[in-house]
Amino acid sequence: NAGVTQTPKFRVLKTGQSMTLLCAQDMNHEYMYWYRQDPGMGLRLIHYSVGEGTTAKGEVPDGYNVSRLKKQNFLLGLESAAPSQTSVYFCATRWRGRASDTQYFGPGTRLTVL
Amino acid sequence: GESVGLHLPTLSVQEGDNSIINCAYSNSASDYFIWYKQESGKGPQFIIDIRSNMDKRQGQRVTVLLNKTVKHLSLQIAATQPGDSAVYFCAENRGGSYIPTFGRGTSLIVHP
Repeated sequence: NAGVTQTPKFRVLKTGQSMTLLCAQDMNHEYMYWYRQDPGMGLRLIHYSVGEGTTAKGEVPDGYNVSRLKKQNFLLGLESAAPSQTSVYFCATRWRGRASDTQYFGPGTRLTVL
Repeated sequence: GESVGLHLPTLSVQEGDNSIINCAYSNSASDYFIWYKQESGKGPQFIIDIRSNMDKRQGQRVTVLLNKTVKHLSLQIAATQPGDSAVYFCAENRGGSYIPTFGRGTSLIVHP
């Protein structure tokens, strides 16, 4: 049981390049989230999904796109990377049950845009 | 104390002391609260949670206190160890909302 995994762990891009970050989960959770975390700041929500085939914008969606074609995968795309997108990106799933409502985070992807 | 700009609030303690980390939450309708621990270079991990119908909940070496009157949450860590050094986040959920709200975090530094 791997939980939440993220690919790649590190990446360096040049301004204008594109890339896709992959998040995969094996917990069968309905909800998935993409956050970015910058130094000294909390987690900021980029996009989220409440089920296969659905996506919605979060707090800071500009410059990013997402897709949830399969329940277990949530992809985050950067079409034309900018230095302002240098950050650590975390994917999370969420389990909402009677007794708990908890997010499970991946290990993060550290992205640098030059 | 309070932080300015990019610096997180920081709590420095000696090994063996008890630590108290505080969080003010924003939504009086929130009904579920969670504390996460984030070690350097890793993703946040669940520590303990509490529902709004409770004032206190205890785990192993950790206790969460909830004061709904002043919308305040605290995490108490007993006999703090160097392995407790991390950033601690509180999060609030409101029933029916898809989006939890996270605090900025507090950096806990434990000196041997």
